[in-house]
Amino acid sequence: RKEVEQDPGPFNVPEGATVAFNCTYSNSASQSFFWYRQDCRKEPKLLMSVYSSGNEDGRFTAQLNRASQYISLLIRDSKLSDSATYLCAVDDMDTGRRALTFGSGTRLQVQP
Amino acid sequence: EAGVTQSPTHLIKTRGQQATLRCSPISGHTSVYWYQQALGLGLQFLLWYDEGEERNRGNFPPRFSGRQFPNYSSELNVNALELEDSALYLCASSFGNRGLKNIQYFGAGTRLSVL
Repeated sequence: RKEVEQDPGPFNVPEGATVAFNCTYSNSASQSFFWYRQDCRKEPKLLMSVYSSGNEDGRFTAQLNRASQYISLLIRDSKLSDSATYLCAVDDMDTGRRALTFGSGTRLQVQP
Repeated sequence: EAGVTQSPTHLIKTRGQQATLRCSPISGHTSVYWYQQALGLGLQFLLWYDEGEERNRGNFPPRFSGRQFPNYSSELNVNALELEDSALYLCASSFGNRGLKNIQYFGAGTRLSVL
């Protein structure tokens, strides 16, 4: 089983739609969680940190479910510019690794 | 404020050669991470440097090595290049052990092509 798993998609949604992605992680001791956005052949850009209470930034909402070991990203009112690959990342601080383990990404295509 | 910078942008080498990739972290960051992203694959952790020391490495052979300089910039060296080393190499930086949350910011990457 992979440490961090995501549905690769693609998710094809019309403009204005609401779309949600899930990401499961295997290490129950994981402490920090992130969502990154990666455009084709570019570097990942931090979208949001995910806190235990959940957090919202404009149209984007991130949630953490420790019991079921997953994080989610909700995008409301999708824009064409949201088309990208969304990567979840987990930092196993308790192991001292400090590296981020990334999921393979979920591709979103927002259509006019 | 400048972000993470990487050079060169593109690098073309032949099998068996050595490649050197460079990274300058965000000012104030002491940790530098290297990741490999092969075409169609996810990001794989390579190396972590903090305060000039190698702190951890991923599941890569020893021909992948590097170092961190006193100014916290870093070099990644790949010896005896193989075709499958062709990938986007991404560098990220963070406040490292001084940061409560290990928020990493990425550079634009070096695209290495091995012919």
